Amino acid sequence: NAGVMQNPRHLVRRRGQEARLRCSPMKGHSHVYWYRQLPEEGLKFMVYLQKENIIDESGMPKERFSAEFPKEGPSILRIQQVVRGDSAAYFCASSPWDSNEKLFFGSGTQLSVL
Amino acid sequence: GDSVTQMEGPVTLSEEAFLTINCTYTATGYPSLFWYVQYPGEGLQLLLKATKADDKGSNKGFEATYRKETTSFHLEKGSVQVSDSAVYFCALMRTGRRALTFGSGTRLQVQP
Repeated sequence: NAGVMQNPRHLVRRRGQEARLRCSPMKGHSHVYWYRQLPEEGLKFMVYLQKENIIDESGMPKERFSAEFPKEGPSILRIQQVVRGDSAAYFCASSPWDSNEKLFFGSGTQLSVL
Repeated sequence: GDSVTQMEGPVTLSEEAFLTINCTYTATGYPSLFWYVQYPGEGLQLLLKATKADDKGSNKGFEATYRKETTSFHLEKGSVQVSDSAVYFCALMRTGRRALTFGSGTRLQVQP
C-alpha cells in the first residue's frame, strides 16, 4: 500500500510564475491536508479538503493560493505569481474519513523561488 | 490562539545518553498531543500521542506524559541511538478540529 505521494520533490520557479504541487493520498483516504514549512520553523496548517470540498482553509493566504481535491485525481495546491517568500517545503497529509488522528505525511515538495 | 513551544536545538548527545526534549502548549480546552519525527529527506511520522490528561504515549523507547497542570508533553528516551538522529516536532490537535498546530521542531544529533 503506497504512502502519500507528492510530486515534484523539488520545484524551481521564477518570481511571477505559477507553482502547482500535487498530492495523491493513501489508498482509501478521503481527507487531504496541506502544510507549509518555512526554513527552521515548524509546519503551519494551510487547508483541509475532502473530495470536491474545502472544509477548512483558515491557514491559507487570502491571495494567490488555492487548493482543490477533485473527484478523480490528486489534490493540487496552486500558487499564482510566486514570490521569494513562498520558498518553503510544502507537505501533504491524508487520513481516513473516520479518524482525524491517523495522519500520514508525504515527503514534501521543496519550492524554490528565484 | 493555539501554540506549541519546544526547546531549541540542536541537541547533541552521545549514544546511550538520556534524552529530554521539552514541549509546552497553549490551547483552549483539552487538546490531543503528539510527537512527530522527521528523518532527513522524509515526511513526518507519528511517534506517539496522548489524548487526555495523565495519559502516557510510548513507542520505540520514547515516552511522553500529558501533564495538564503544567501544560507540558516532554519527550524522553532512556538510551538514544545514532539512528534516532532526526528532527522532533511536538504538536496539538484541538477537539473537533482536524488541523495540527506544530512547534518549531528540535533537531537531535546522536554521536557514536
